[in-house]
Amino acid sequence: DAGVIQSPRHEVTEMGQEVTLRCKPISGHDYLFWYRQTMMRGLELLIYFNNNVPIDDSGMPEDRFSAKMPNASFSTLKIQPSEPRDSAVYFCASSLWDLDYTFGSGTRLTVV
Amino acid sequence: QQQVKQSPQSLIVQKGGISIINCAYENTAFDYFPWYQQFPGKGPALLIAIRPDVSEKKEGRFTISFNKSAKQFSLHIMDSQPGDSATYFCAASGSYAGDYKLSFGAGTTVTVRA
Repeated sequence: DAGVIQSPRHEVTEMGQEVTLRCKPISGHDYLFWYRQTMMRGLELLIYFNNNVPIDDSGMPEDRFSAKMPNASFSTLKIQPSEPRDSAVYFCASSLWDLDYTFGSGTRLTVV
Repeated sequence: QQQVKQSPQSLIVQKGGISIINCAYENTAFDYFPWYQQFPGKGPALLIAIRPDVSEKKEGRFTISFNKSAKQFSLHIMDSQPGDSATYFCAASGSYAGDYKLSFGAGTTVTVRA
């Protein structure tokens, strides 16, 4: 398996623009997690899905953030409109029930 | 508010030495405690994990020690090597209580000097 695949690896956008981050989990994993990593706040859970259903979105910072998982092999995290404080590395991870997360390589988002 | 407190923030160790990273938690529902290793530009990768039914788990040069009564756990890296230079995160979750999300500590940057 190629592991968890995230795209793009880097994204630079202007404030106010819409940003869409993409994730392909490991085949057969039924949990998918979106985390954000910053120097100030470390690794923060934004939202997680089980069998494509959102279970806990309490970490989503505000209504500008939304996440979807239309099928077992694809998820998106959208920010609209983006702000400079959204600049961070966004990670997607997937796992089975055993919680052994496999993380993707992340998307480094810069909002100018 | 971080549910898992990790220390130190960084440490430097000589090649062959022992690195020790400590974590503490308050939530007694936590029942799964993994450690992740992260290299620059990469995502965190699972290193070793423990459940509270054992007090110690060893895999190669990496050992987790777990103290349930104190609500603390630690990672020991024996015979540290330059390739171990990375950021290490402890984490916790309460999977038996239906909580499948990991709460991460703030991370410890380990530098191994040759």
